Amino acid sequence: EAQVTQNPRYLITVTGKKLTVTCSQNMNHEYMSWYRQDPGLGLRQIYYSMNVEVTDKGDVPEGYKVSRKEKRNFPLILESPSPNQTSLYFCASSLSRYRDSQANYGYTFGSGTRLTVV
Amino acid sequence: ELKVEQNPLFLSMQEGKNYTIYCNYSTTSDRLYWYRQDPGKSLESLFVLLSNGAVKQEGRLMASLDTKARLSTLHITAAVHDLSATYFCAVDRVYMNYGGATNKLIFGTGTLLAVQP
Repeated sequence: EAQVTQNPRYLITVTGKKLTVTCSQNMNHEYMSWYRQDPGLGLRQIYYSMNVEVTDKGDVPEGYKVSRKEKRNFPLILESPSPNQTSLYFCASSLSRYRDSQANYGYTFGSGTRLTVV
Repeated sequence: ELKVEQNPLFLSMQEGKNYTIYCNYSTTSDRLYWYRQDPGKSLESLFVLLSNGAVKQEGRLMASLDTKARLSTLHITAAVHDLSATYFCAVDRVYMNYGGATNKLIFGTGTLLAVQP
């Protein structure tokens, strides 16, 4: 089954304790992205990756890191989490636009990770 | 910078009534998506609209796109309780950066729809 798998689904941690949220896709998608969802703000992009070893900041990158060493994986790293990073996080993937010119596939989202930093 | 505005933010409807959710965006785009999200769940793709005048329908939901007005609508016909959820529009753009062409999906704030019996 084509899917984006995020782990963990729920995480409660303390301020300053480094954590990693994993994201893996099995669709050979070039493009992957992380979003955070907060009430009244919709989903905002944190980081994205156009392909292996190519990443760039989104709209709210402060306090986060990413890496893309393999095509299928795109982990989100919080080196020193703070309470304002308490949020619902989604990973998404898609084909690059030139490979999906007719929008046949669009974006596939993971199930989400609810993170609480205390 | 592309901005996406969605309204209303909250919509309480009675079953059987019709209503429309509006999605305005600030710059040109070539794709617009509508998603549904149930509480605590992921996003479910409802529609993708590719061109001016595009209209798509699935059950009681119909989405349309006017690229000249930079407006998309999601119309709900004869609402039922099962439609209660949060609905997002999202605009997809391709732009160039140092790595080449890339796409970016920008979301509206969402509309929480509550259908009352």
